[in-house]
Amino acid sequence: EDQVTQSPEALRLQEGESSSLNCSYTVSGLRGLFWYRQDPGKGPEFLFTLYSAGEEKEKERLKATLTKKESFLHITAPKPEDSATYLCAVQADGGYQKVTFGTGTKLQVIP
Amino acid sequence: NAGVTQTPKFQVLKTGQSMTLQCAQDMNHEYMSWYRQDPGMGLRLIHYSVGAGITDQGEVPNGYNVSRSTTEDFPLRLLSAAPSQTSVYFCASSRRRLAGVKEQFFGPGTRLTVL
Repeated sequence: EDQVTQSPEALRLQEGESSSLNCSYTVSGLRGLFWYRQDPGKGPEFLFTLYSAGEEKEKERLKATLTKKESFLHITAPKPEDSATYLCAVQADGGYQKVTFGTGTKLQVIP
Repeated sequence: NAGVTQTPKFQVLKTGQSMTLQCAQDMNHEYMSWYRQDPGMGLRLIHYSVGAGITDQGEVPNGYNVSRSTTEDFPLRLLSAAPSQTSVYFCASSRRRLAGVKEQFFGPGTRLTVL
């Protein structure tokens, strides 16, 4: 069974204090790993797709990396507007429906 | 583009009532899905569609029906609401890619309470 575990569950940072969120996964044949951002009361918003170990992608203060067992979302010099829940998901071989989501990391950035 | 739209935003039902959650997308995406999100659990797939006229069950399909008569619309029907169906429901769409990997675009959600 495919599994996605995100840690920590919650993270509180001071503005400008860089940190990383972790997404560990076990999957039978990884097709892609996704990162989403979810603001309170809203739907998830797509951030990145990573396809293979060693791949990295960046967007503003966010950088996502991928190994064979986990992915990291690095947040550099975060701002209060980066406060949100970050979701990780993996898509496995076996068809369109084979996407498993983690429970997310709730990030709070304090001014 | 409006993206993915969902109505209603909030709904309260009594046990045994039925209702339809509406979902529409204007991006001409082939794939559409319904998820539910509950505290402490990841998004769970209810039903999905790979194109008009084609639907299939996801991880938690019991108590729900779907149909897809057009590319744009993918309604979710609750047949006889139960308190266990209290949740936030998200509709998502994605484009079909050769690699089969899909970045999904989500609607704003419907918060459903069943009393």
